[in-house]
Amino acid sequence: DAMVIQNPRYQVTQFGKPVTLSCSQTLNHNVMYWYQQKSSQAPKLLFHYYDKDFNNEADTPDNFQSRRPNTSFCFLDIRSPGLGDAAMYLCATSRTTGTYEQYFGPGTRLTVT
Amino acid sequence: QKEVEQDPGPLSVPEGAIVSLNCTYSNSAFQYFMWYRQYSRKGPELLMYTYSSGNKEDGRFTAQVDKSSKYISLFIRDSQPSDSATYLCAMSAGGGGADGLTFGKGTHLIIQP
Repeated sequence: DAMVIQNPRYQVTQFGKPVTLSCSQTLNHNVMYWYQQKSSQAPKLLFHYYDKDFNNEADTPDNFQSRRPNTSFCFLDIRSPGLGDAAMYLCATSRTTGTYEQYFGPGTRLTVT
Repeated sequence: QKEVEQDPGPLSVPEGAIVSLNCTYSNSAFQYFMWYRQYSRKGPELLMYTYSSGNKEDGRFTAQVDKSSKYISLFIRDSQPSDSATYLCAMSAGGGGADGLTFGKGTHLIIQP
């Protein structure tokens, strides 16, 4: 089955220690998104890639970076995690222009100690 | 005023009941409307996708969009315990480019056996 895969599902990191979350997709979608979802809150878009074009949301902190080395993979780097960055991180994909159905992975739950 | 308002619940109903979930929004540019179901500690799963105003039915689920009132609804008929989850509305202005979704906070639904 075509799908969106996130690894790891659970990640524990220390305050200030860089961490990388990964996402891969077999849907061959052009667009990949990263959302942050804190407990009982709506998912919040951090940034997205349209092919290789990176689009950052205006209020996404500089502490968050992303890489997309190829169509299938996308990474979220948190350079210096703070306690406030503990959340579920969701990766999503969508096809190219004209459709807005987004398909989500299972998420990575990040704990910062 | 938040862009998308959704009552967080919890909403508890007996098995077999008709469930009505709703969102209101303020951005008149939104044209694409989605409902996602999210089980605990999982990623959101796309349930329904509607463009502009009108109704869409899929099995036990019906989505309604009233753009004049900026109000969208999801109805679940013959509700089952397996429908217990958080339901997130999401919407997008579209416009031809890749666009992130604006989510409501989600309504926590409990179907009592």
